[in-house]
Amino acid sequence: DTAVSQTPKYLVTQMGNDKSIKCEQNLGHDTMYWYKQDSKKFLKIMFSYNNKELIINETVPNRFSPKSPDKAHLNLHINSLELGDSAVYFCASSRRQGIGEQYFGPGTRLTVT
Amino acid sequence: SQQGEEDPQALSIQEGENATMNCSYKTSINNLQWYRQNSGRGLVHLILIRSNEREKHSGRLRVTLDTSKKSSSLLITASRAADTASYFCAPYNAGNMLTFGGGTRLMVKP
Repeated sequence: DTAVSQTPKYLVTQMGNDKSIKCEQNLGHDTMYWYKQDSKKFLKIMFSYNNKELIINETVPNRFSPKSPDKAHLNLHINSLELGDSAVYFCASSRRQGIGEQYFGPGTRLTVT
Repeated sequence: SQQGEEDPQALSIQEGENATMNCSYKTSINNLQWYRQNSGRGLVHLILIRSNEREKHSGRLRVTLDTSKKSSSLLITASRAADTASYFCAPYNAGNMLTFGGGTRLMVKP
């Protein structure tokens, strides 16, 4: 069974479109995260949710809006996509905020043309 | 927030050799974690070392932590081709964020 899953794995879209990436974890963890990995492999945290509440919101354009319908899901909606949004987006979860290891999903490669 | 900075950025060795990767960070930490990322995959947690620990082992992995120098190292002994991946260190601080650098890309040649 996949611990942290993301859909879709690949997403190709045009500038100006709106898209969503879904994430689900079946580990019973309280905390979920979204990361962005750029072409140079730097991994930057975007958001952290703890029990459906936003805990961390790094400097991310407000075109990015996370939504957590329940503890096991954290979706990422992106409005008005720009070329610079092209990256790999990873969802992750941990047992609690700041406790121990994080479990990562397989990533979603977003390409904006 | 701070991030770990891995050194070297890339490392190429022969199978059977040892691989050493270093990590530096700037502020005090609660723990430091190492992760591996295979090409096209998500990160996988390898090992966590707490700020009051100096060394930790897990199989062929050995991690050291020197809080006075704000540095850590990851040693992979008797490397295998399957160890080819990117390795990231992630210092965890009281700001409750795990922060990553750009990683060390390790290539193990058979």
